[in-house]
Amino acid sequence: EPEVTQTPSHQVTQMGQEVILRCVPISNHLYFYWYRQILGQKVEFLVSFYNNEISEKSEIFDDQFSVERPDGSNFTLKIRSTKLEDSAMYFCASNVPGQGDNSPLHFGNGTRLTVT
Amino acid sequence: AQSVTQPDIHITVSEGASLELRCNYSYGATPYLFWYVQSPGQGLQLLLKYFSGDTLVQGIKGFEAEFKRSQSSFNLRKPSVHWSDAAEYFCAVALNTNAGKSTFGDGTTLTVKP
Repeated sequence: EPEVTQTPSHQVTQMGQEVILRCVPISNHLYFYWYRQILGQKVEFLVSFYNNEISEKSEIFDDQFSVERPDGSNFTLKIRSTKLEDSAMYFCASNVPGQGDNSPLHFGNGTRLTVT
Repeated sequence: AQSVTQPDIHITVSEGASLELRCNYSYGATPYLFWYVQSPGQGLQLLLKYFSGDTLVQGIKGFEAEFKRSQSSFNLRKPSVHWSDAAEYFCAVALNTNAGKSTFGDGTTLTVKP
């Protein structure tokens, strides 16, 4: 079964540095998402992306965050200047076109970001 | 805004025993409801979903859930738990126009005793 893949599985960075988290959604999916899970807390929606633009974002997704689909397969989340509180597991997800909004999410295994 | 409550932070059951994980939601209309499972170091895997129709839905790995509108609940059940079911379980709710933007509960950690 096709999977959403994320790289790297673990990223350590220093405060103030830029990081890019990478995702390869399932190939025939058109809706893409980033979620965040701070250790011991709930999974939180960050942003949804469709047709090469952000369709919705949460209050967490401030100017430090950006997303991009640089080519036909990758979907990236960039954090411009990381803060300690950005340490979390970041999950990429996608869902099926046509059923679009009504279809469940397929999640990747996540990237654990540690900001020191 | 919609919200999801999972009252039980941690549940321990013996292998072979039955399981029920509670989920309550707050939303004005009928939401889309989901249960996900997260094993350590893994992403979230969908167990089952409810959109409409039959209020008892069957999922993977022998799980089922029942939507009860009167109680605003969507509890997850399994008649006989296996050791491999030990994981964290998340209930989630989505608006009927964007299932991709889901609101998750805090999760329930399931421990299975031999």
